[in-house]
Amino acid sequence: DTGVSQNPRHKITKRGQNVTFRCDPISEHNRLYWYRQTLGQGPEFLTYFQNEAQLEKSRLLSDRFSAERPKGSFSTLEIQRTEQGDSAMYLCASSLDSGLQETQYFGPGTRLLVL
Amino acid sequence: AQSVAQPEDQVNVAEGNPLTVKCTYSVSGNPYLFWYVQYPNRGLQFLLKYITGDNLVKGSYGFEAEFNKSQTSFHLKKPSALVSDSALYFCAVKGGGSTLGRLYFGRGTQLTVWP
Repeated sequence: DTGVSQNPRHKITKRGQNVTFRCDPISEHNRLYWYRQTLGQGPEFLTYFQNEAQLEKSRLLSDRFSAERPKGSFSTLEIQRTEQGDSAMYLCASSLDSGLQETQYFGPGTRLLVL
Repeated sequence: AQSVAQPEDQVNVAEGNPLTVKCTYSVSGNPYLFWYVQYPNRGLQFLLKYITGDNLVKGSYGFEAEFNKSQTSFHLKKPSALVSDSALYFCAVKGGGSTLGRLYFGRGTQLTVWP
């Protein structure tokens, strides 16, 4: 069983640069979620997709953030004009939409440091 | 609005002793509750969930959790702790209504099991 994978695992960038992260979900999982986790906090929801449709976005997802899932498989999260406050762990999760029984499985995360 | 509280930032227990990690929740509607564990520099691993049915839920690695509706609690337990259980534990509740997909996490509890 191949789990959720994320690339890169670590990213260091300078303020003002753009960054893009990729998430590959578990095969055949039709839902894909993005969360952000800062030090000392639990993960916070950013957005999620059902197949290729983006169904919900958090208020945390400012206009500098954009997420896509073009073919309903992998997803990308792009941050434009990065700020130091964007430094965090970005987690991706996938699930099979099974109503109440849905369980989200997480990838290892991408740790972003904005200098 | 959905929320989760983990009242203890840290729990310390001796190996072989029982452990409890506390979680209380606030939801509108029926609660769907989850426990995840996070090891250093890793993503979250699913441990167990409560959807409906028996109040005592059994999960991975010998963990179990007790759902108590009157106290709005979902405490994680293990009869005999192992040093390898040392990790960061997160309680989460699933959103309801239009936010059905997202998980709301607590701040986490650092469990340390000493030999």
